[in-house]
Amino acid sequence: EVQLLESGGGLVQPGGSLRLSCAASGFTFSNYAMSWVRQAPGKGLEWVSAISGSGGSTYYADSVKGRFTISRDNSKNTLYLQMNSLRAEDTAVYYCAKGGITIFGIISNNWFDPWGQGTLVTVSS
Amino acid sequence: EIVMTQSPATLSVSPGERATLSCRASQSVSSNLTWYQQKPGQAPRLLIYGASTRATGIPARFSGSGSGTEFTLTISSLQSEDFAVYYCQQYNNWPPLTFGGGTKVEIK
Repeated sequence: EVQLLESGGGLVQPGGSLRLSCAASGFTFSNYAMSWVRQAPGKGLEWVSAISGSGGSTYYADSVKGRFTISRDNSKNTLYLQMNSLRAEDTAVYYCAKGGITIFGIISNNWFDPWGQGTLVTVSS
Repeated sequence: EIVMTQSPATLSVSPGERATLSCRASQSVSSNLTWYQQKPGQAPRLLIYGASTRATGIPARFSGSGSGTEFTLTISSLQSEDFAVYYCQQYNNWPPLTFGGGTKVEIK
């Protein structure tokens, strides 16, 4: 069974930093792209960032580009999101999600299945 | 960026009735579209990929159709567990990967 377990959320002041982790199991982690998707309280879903299976390619939403960094450690089956210069509008539940298969660096069929349970990030003074 | 627009925002349906949800893309996404279901306090769950293929374990009462810019999710006979928010997402042209704003299916 594929499982994703996020951790690292919490309360942080504006301008602060936080690192999220997502531990994966039940599939060949290095074969698949992974993404972070967030959901502000009472709002819809917003894709944040994606990374290829090898980690060689990364992608970001304009809203977080230059502030967030996605990475992965395939030896530990773990995905990360380093969040710097946090703003109030970054407050959300952050989900990690298994994405499309990566072959020769090309990500195919990049939908999200499954999702982790989410971790809440609150940016407030 | 491809903008996904879902309608209606809220759909009131009685149990046992059919529900039809719409999703429109601002430009063609071919058949590269998925549908997710999200219940309160839970993570989203994949229902449909490739516009019309049900994910593993999804009941046959859920069906997806469409291609290009117009898509439909149909729930043939609503069960109590189907009352939730539904999102569409395109993966044809990215980044960014984009979602619709969601349709809430509520009990009439």
